[in-house]
Amino acid sequence: NAGVTQTPKFRILKIGQSMTLQCAQDMNHNYMYWYRQDPGMGLKLIYYSVGAGITDKGEVPNGYNVSRSTTEDFPLRLELAAPSQTSVYFCASRRGVEDTQYFGPGTRLTVL
Amino acid sequence: AQSVTQLDSHVSVSEGTPVLLRCNYSSSYSPSLFWYVQHPNKGLQLLLKYTSAATLVKGINGFEAEFKKSETSFHLTKPSAHMSDAAEYFCVVRDPKDTGRRALTFGSGTRLQVQP
Repeated sequence: NAGVTQTPKFRILKIGQSMTLQCAQDMNHNYMYWYRQDPGMGLKLIYYSVGAGITDKGEVPNGYNVSRSTTEDFPLRLELAAPSQTSVYFCASRRGVEDTQYFGPGTRLTVL
Repeated sequence: AQSVTQLDSHVSVSEGTPVLLRCNYSSSYSPSLFWYVQHPNKGLQLLLKYTSAATLVKGINGFEAEFKKSETSFHLTKPSAHMSDAAEYFCVVRDPKDTGRRALTFGSGTRLQVQP
């Protein structure tokens, strides 16, 4: 049972490039979340999903897209990377009846 | 809307002395409250959570927190700090009326330093 996994661990992008941050969980959780953490700040919600095929925006969705074709996977797409998207990105999941969210180890993204 | 305020951005203690990390919350309803810990370059780990059962909540690694409704506080304590406790700690709230996405709202974090 690996929990929540994220790839890559680190990435440097040039302005205007695109990439997909991968997130997978093997706990059969229906809820999944993407957060970003800027230096010295708490986490802010980008997008979330309540199950396969259902996604919705969080507090800071601009510049990002998500999809949820399976229960296990919840990739986050950056289409046109901007320096403001330099951050650490965390994926999390939870079971439907519980409050506790389980977090992945994070992806540190730098846009230059 | 709910929010949390962590009153100290940095706390420094000596090994073996008590730890106190302060958190105040703002919520119109009785919230769910959490403390998460983040060790350097690691993900977030749940320390403990309050969900309207006992007001004194015990967590992992000897940490505990007390929910005080009259003071709207949820401070995190540990009787004796260990070097391995050095990390960033986040106080987190969930609005109980948010029954859909059940998103978490994070405080800005407190960095705990433990001196030998």
